[in-house]
Amino acid sequence: AQSVSQHNHHVILSEAASLELGCNYSYGGTVNLFWYVQYPGQHLQLLLKYFSGDPLVKGIKGFEAEFIKSKFSFNLRKPSVQWSDTAEYFCAVSTSGGSYIPTFGRGTSLIVHP
Amino acid sequence: NAGVTQTPKFRILKIGQSMTLQCTQDMNHNYMYWYRQDPGMGLKLIYYSVGAGITDKGEVPNGYNVSRSTTEDFPLRLELAAPSQTSVYFCASSYSMAGGYNEQFFGPGTRLTVL
Repeated sequence: AQSVSQHNHHVILSEAASLELGCNYSYGGTVNLFWYVQYPGQHLQLLLKYFSGDPLVKGIKGFEAEFIKSKFSFNLRKPSVQWSDTAEYFCAVSTSGGSYIPTFGRGTSLIVHP
Repeated sequence: NAGVTQTPKFRILKIGQSMTLQCTQDMNHNYMYWYRQDPGMGLKLIYYSVGAGITDKGEVPNGYNVSRSTTEDFPLRLELAAPSQTSVYFCASSYSMAGGYNEQFFGPGTRLTVL
């Protein structure tokens, strides 16, 4: 069965700092990879996704993620965070072995201080 | 398009009561899902459906039931509510096919408290 690990559960940064959130998965076959964001009191929204092609994916609001197949990783990055990036971030993976039902990581809570 | 809608937004139940959480999507998505979100625990899949008339258990199905009589609707039924079911419930939908292109769209959530 597939599993997803997000190693950073809580991250606190100051505005303009760089961000990298880790996401690792366990599955050796074809994967679809997602990052979702949940702003306080809101529902989850798609930040970016990877299905195939260029392993460097650009999403909304200046976020990007890199798929490194050899490391089973899909880390999320942003060069300069803003106070409005305060939110919870979820990595998700779907695979053919899991009937393409996405599995979510536990999430990372990001707080950005102005 | 309204996307994924859920009702109610908030509900307080007494132990042993029952209720149905409603979920409707207007995007003609074939897959629908129910998750619960507890603080620090991420999203846990309760049930999912790959099409009308087909449902399957997720990671935490005990205490819940679902049905999928139409493409649009996917209600979640709680029988004999327990305090452990206090949570925020999210419904989601996606269009999925053999290639697994299943970006999910989420509803606004239902905050349920069982006292």
